[in-house]
Amino acid sequence: QKEVEQNSGPLSVPEGAIASLNCTYSDRGSQSFFWYRQYSGKSPELIMSIYSNGDKEDGRFTAQLNKASQYVSLLIRDSQPSDSATYLCAVPNERTYKYIFGTGTRLKVLA
Amino acid sequence: DVKVTQSSRYLVKRTGEKVFLECVQDMDHENMFWYRQDPGLGLRLIYFSYDVKMKEKGDIPEGYSVSREKKERFSLILESASTNQTSMYLCASEDNGYGYTFGSGTRLTVV
Repeated sequence: QKEVEQNSGPLSVPEGAIASLNCTYSDRGSQSFFWYRQYSGKSPELIMSIYSNGDKEDGRFTAQLNKASQYVSLLIRDSQPSDSATYLCAVPNERTYKYIFGTGTRLKVLA
Repeated sequence: DVKVTQSSRYLVKRTGEKVFLECVQDMDHENMFWYRQDPGLGLRLIYFSYDVKMKEKGDIPEGYSVSREKKERFSLILESASTNQTSMYLCASEDNGYGYTFGSGTRLTVV
């Protein structure tokens, strides 16, 4: 089992819809979780972090964490074509500070 | 905002050359990382450093070395470049659990 798993996609949603991106992780001791957005040819950009069970909202983005089920999700409301990118889930190893990245989910928002 | 600067955006080098990739961060972060990113393989950790003069091997250190003489600068060295080291190289800086900040990346082509 991979340490951090994401569906590679592509996930296609129409403009204005909600995009739901999921990530599962294997280390039950993980305490912090990050979502990065990466446009084609660019470097990853941190968009959300979450540390506690439940939801965390920032503008059109909502991160959801369920530690019991070991998954973290990213919801993008009112999706725009400019949201088309690859979204990477990252989970740090709490002892080494090394982040384990999923392979990313490619999102396509159709105008 | 933390700024992580990678010295070159694109590089073309010949097989057998010694290649230096430079990375500088401006926020006094202790932790710095070098990754490479390849299609289908995601982000793979090459080396990381928690302090000046300190370095640790990541998951794929073979063919690489690093140098951290000053806190703000973390250099990746390809001792003898080979075609299988053609990749996107990403430097990141981190502050004890608040998420990586990536540089803009260096796309290296070895011919």
